[in-house]
Amino acid sequence: KAGVTQTPRYLIKTRGQQVTLSCSPISGHRSVSWYQQTPGQGLQFLFEYFSETQRNKGNFPGRFSGRQFSNSRSEMNVSTLELGDSALYLCASSFSRTTNTGELFFGEGSRLTVL
Amino acid sequence: QKEVEQDPGPLSVPEGAIVSLNCTYSNSAFQYFMWYRQYSRKGPELLMYTYSSGNKEDGRFTAQVDKSSKYISLFIRDSQPSDSATYLCAMSGVQNAGNMLTFGGGTRLMVKP
Repeated sequence: KAGVTQTPRYLIKTRGQQVTLSCSPISGHRSVSWYQQTPGQGLQFLFEYFSETQRNKGNFPGRFSGRQFSNSRSEMNVSTLELGDSALYLCASSFSRTTNTGELFFGEGSRLTVL
Repeated sequence: QKEVEQDPGPLSVPEGAIVSLNCTYSNSAFQYFMWYRQYSRKGPELLMYTYSSGNKEDGRFTAQVDKSSKYISLFIRDSQPSDSATYLCAMSGVQNAGNMLTFGGGTRLMVKP
C-alpha cells in the first residue's frame, strides 16, 4: 500500500514569490492535514480538509491557503513568501474524521527554503 | 507558554539503557495522546496511541498518561542505536478539532553502541 506522497521534496524560492505544494494521501483516506515544522516552533497545524471541505485552520496568516480535490489529493499554497516561511511542510492523511482511531500517516515532507 | 512542553534534549544514552521521555500540557480538554518518532529527513511515524489516563505497552515501548497531572511519558526498554531519532508527543481530542494534533517540540534521542 503506497504511503503519503508529497511533491516536490525540496525547493528554493525567493522572497515575494509564491509556492504550491502537493500531497497525495493513502488510497481511501479522505482527511488531509498540513503541518509546518521549523526548529524554533516545532510542528504547527496549518489546516485540515475532509471531503473537499476545510474543517479546521491553524493560526497562520491568509497567505497560507489550501484545497482538496474530489480524489482527496490536496495542495497548499503560500503567497508572497517571507524568509520565515522556510520550513518542512508535512502532509498527513487519515481514514477517520477524528483522532479517535489515533492514526495520522505522514509524508516525508516538502522542504522549502526562501532566500 | 506553549500548550505542550517537551524537553528538547539531546538525550544521550548507552545501548541497552531504559529511556524516559516526557511531556506536560496545559489543556485539560485533550483526550488522545500519541508518541511519534521522526528520523532525520523523514516524516513522523506513530509509535503509541493512548486514550485518557493509564498505561499501554507495545514491545519495548510503554506509554503512560496521567491526566490529573497533565503529564505523559514514553519509556523505551533495552534501547538500540536504531532508536536514535526525535520523539514527538502529540495530543488531540478537543471538541470539533477533527484530526488536528498539538505537538510538543520534540526530544532528540541518541543511543550509543
